[in-house]
Amino acid sequence: ETGVTQSPTHLIKTRGQQVTLRCSSQSGHNTVSWYQQALGQGPQFIFQYYREEENGRGNFPPRFSGLQFPNYSSELNVNALELDDSALYLCASSFQGATNEKLFFGSGTQLSVL
Amino acid sequence: GQNIDQPTEMTATEGAIVQINCTYQTSGFNGLFWYQQHAGEAPTFLSYNVLDGLEEKGRFSSFLSRSKGYSYLLLKELQMKDSASYLCAVAGGSYIPTFGRGTSLIVHP
Repeated sequence: ETGVTQSPTHLIKTRGQQVTLRCSSQSGHNTVSWYQQALGQGPQFIFQYYREEENGRGNFPPRFSGLQFPNYSSELNVNALELDDSALYLCASSFQGATNEKLFFGSGTQLSVL
Repeated sequence: GQNIDQPTEMTATEGAIVQINCTYQTSGFNGLFWYQQHAGEAPTFLSYNVLDGLEEKGRFSSFLSRSKGYSYLLLKELQMKDSASYLCAVAGGSYIPTFGRGTSLIVHP
């Protein structure tokens, strides 16, 4: 049912590098949200995109940035990687305007920063 | 802002009933979600409550009391495959869900 795909599934980077994660949303969805999930924690909201504009942002520094494209796919970019950025990055799509805006998650990208 | 609290871990026996509680504080309220997340997998939607009361869906039920800032997820006839993390998430004024840290449920035979 999910239909949300993320790439890559795993990634290893070194401190100071930059990374781009990609997400294709489920067909019919117009909103993409990105979450960071550290081991043993719940997902933490990074930001949301609706109609190619940032529609909300969590408590993450500006080196976390994103894009949404006309086909509603999205990218998450992280500059100047830090060790604490090591986590599972989850993309979720939804349809803004639905009574119950439940999120459909992708399987995530596991990022390790060494 | 929002604050969500749920137990870190619970254990139960196959065939039993378990209740996972979630308390929250939020400015604005547009619904409470429960998600299930198996180890190494994506969270999947279980339930949504926006009005007070009980929502039943098969073996799973979810309850909400807005005045108390309280919800629970009830799992009946537990199966081994129910071993997972259960995430409580609250949609505040922005409609964007904020997640708790999750409750790891371990089901024993």
